[in-house]
Amino acid sequence: GDSVTQMEGPVTLSEEAFLTINCTYTATGYPSLFWYVQYPGEGLQLLLKATKADDKGSNKGFEATYRKETTSFHLEKGSVQVSDSAVYFCALRGYGGSQGNLIFGKGTKLSVKP
Amino acid sequence: GAVVSQHPSRVICKSGTSVKIECRSLDFQATTMFWYRQFPKQSLMLMATSNEGSKATYEQGVEKDKFLINHASLTLSTLTVTSAHPEDSSFYICSARGLTSGDPYEQYFGPGTRLTVT
Repeated sequence: GDSVTQMEGPVTLSEEAFLTINCTYTATGYPSLFWYVQYPGEGLQLLLKATKADDKGSNKGFEATYRKETTSFHLEKGSVQVSDSAVYFCALRGYGGSQGNLIFGKGTKLSVKP
Repeated sequence: GAVVSQHPSRVICKSGTSVKIECRSLDFQATTMFWYRQFPKQSLMLMATSNEGSKATYEQGVEKDKFLINHASLTLSTLTVTSAHPEDSSFYICSARGLTSGDPYEQYFGPGTRLTVT
């Protein structure tokens, strides 16, 4: 079945460092891909998404490109801030019998130190 | 737009009692609502999917008699944890999708409810 694998954390960076969180997926067809962010004690917020190959999603300085050839959707940010400290979830949404439900990776906790 | 609320945000109950969690779509009609459970430092586990006016579809391993889900209107779904036990303590998150101006399959998440059973 469909699945998402993302790098395990926690990831600890200094402010203004470059961030990469790897995400790869397994799916039939052409899923949509998402990154969600969860701040402490809160629900999930959609950070960015891409719906077809070579699309780049971007928001708040974060970017991710849908790479079908490597089945990847890595999250990047050029200069992280303390306020970016959160848990990041990669997810895919497929088709068919799952009613387009989201499938999440295990999440990667990011801590940014001043 | 596309805001989902949950109530309460935190609840503490005694073992053996039941607790109800509400999930509301505030500015759109939610044709489908989802309930997730999140254990500490872990990902979200889908518990069930409900369509308005229909019985919920539960994921494998989720006890439907313990976790009662009702989706009686296009803006409200409830999750009732019956005869709660300490092992039911968790963070419960709902999401909804439906009639919005955007992607009809996009899910909008509530802020979550922290349940503690003592």
